[in-house]
Amino acid sequence: NAGVTQTPKFQVLKTGQSMTLQCAQDMNHNSMYWYRQDPGMGLRLIYYSASEGTTDKGEVPNGYNVSRLNKREFSLRLESAAPSQTSVYFCATNIIAGGIYEQYFGPGTRLTVT
Amino acid sequence: ILNVEQSPQSLHVQEGDSTNFTCSFPSSNFYALHWYRWETAKSPEALFVMTLNGDEKKKGRISATLNTKEGYSYLYIKGSQPEDSATYLCAFGVAGGTSYGKLTFGQGTILTVHP
Repeated sequence: NAGVTQTPKFQVLKTGQSMTLQCAQDMNHNSMYWYRQDPGMGLRLIYYSASEGTTDKGEVPNGYNVSRLNKREFSLRLESAAPSQTSVYFCATNIIAGGIYEQYFGPGTRLTVT
Repeated sequence: ILNVEQSPQSLHVQEGDSTNFTCSFPSSNFYALHWYRWETAKSPEALFVMTLNGDEKKKGRISATLNTKEGYSYLYIKGSQPEDSATYLCAFGVAGGTSYGKLTFGQGTILTVHP
């Protein structure tokens, strides 16, 4: 049981390049989330998927697209990377127990755009 | 956009000191308040989830209280140790609808405990 996995762990891109960050979970959770973490900003929600086949914008969606490929996988795509997208990206899933939900996070992807 | 504020932004204490920090959040449409502990190069780790006004939770030397009427939560660390050094994040969850399950995070309090 690996929990939430993310690939790659590190990536350096040049401005204008594209890439996809992968996230997979083996906990059979319905909801999945992508956050970015910047110094002094906490975690900001980029996109989320409440269930397979649905995606919604979060607080900072510009410059990103997502795909909920199946229940396990939720990918984040940067079509044309910009230096402002240099950040640490976390994927998370929700578990709901007794009406209370908790989010479990992946290990993060550290992205640098030069 | 919901406003979740944490204070102070950073805190330096000596080993053995007790410390506390604050999370303030909207008092309307409240569902849950979460605390996470986040060490650099690791993923955030859940500490507490609180849902009821007056809730108090404790895990070892760390405890938290919740006041939903006035919209704040305190996190306390008793007898701080160097291994407590981390960023402490609070997150606010709204009730129901399409936002169910979404969390809005504060900017975090960075705690450094000096030996």
